Amino acid sequence: KAGVTQTPRYLIKTRGQQVTLSCSPISGHRSVSWYQQTPGQGLQFLFEYFSETQRNKGNFPGRFSGRQFSNSRSEMNVSTLELGDSALYLCASSAGALNTEAFFGQGTRLTVV
Amino acid sequence: AQSVTQLGSHVSVSEGALVLLRCNYSSSVPPYLFWYVQYPNQGLQLLLKYTTGATLVKGINGFEAEFKKSETSFHLTKPSAHMSDAAEYFCAVIVIQGAQKLVFGQGTRLTINP
Repeated sequence: KAGVTQTPRYLIKTRGQQVTLSCSPISGHRSVSWYQQTPGQGLQFLFEYFSETQRNKGNFPGRFSGRQFSNSRSEMNVSTLELGDSALYLCASSAGALNTEAFFGQGTRLTVV
Repeated sequence: AQSVTQLGSHVSVSEGALVLLRCNYSSSVPPYLFWYVQYPNQGLQLLLKYTTGATLVKGINGFEAEFKKSETSFHLTKPSAHMSDAAEYFCAVIVIQGAQKLVFGQGTRLTINP
């Protein structure tokens, strides 16, 4: 069974640009969550999608957005990039029910210069 | 508000020694608790989880954790550390605010000394 796949693994962008990250969940999983990991703030929840609907959202500015497709693949977009957006972005998939295990991808390392 | 606190951002033990990583959670959250491990430049891998039932939970790689409601704790232990255990460890809880989400502690970096 394939795991959670995130693409690309590494990305370098310039301030002011926008970026789109992709996540393919485990087959059969309908929930996809996104997290931002930085040395200063740790792991912070961005948002969660289930069956193409955003169910939950963290405390991030509107520059951070996401969506989920009918095949459960998800993308997150960050517009008008800032230096502080440099981070490891992790995607997790789960079956979606309460307390089920979340499986994480290897992450996308975004560097904003 | 933070729902889980990991005590100690860095822990260093000798190879073969006991590993103890501390995690306390706020009592307002449901007791769905997890420990994850992260190796450099990797995602998070689940070590173990507590949902209901037996309070002593065994996980992968010889790790275990005990849920203690009276102490609001979920400490992670391993009797004998191995060099390959060097990594960052995260305690997490499920928080339900409309929909559920995982809330992580700040992480504990474990170093193993030869």
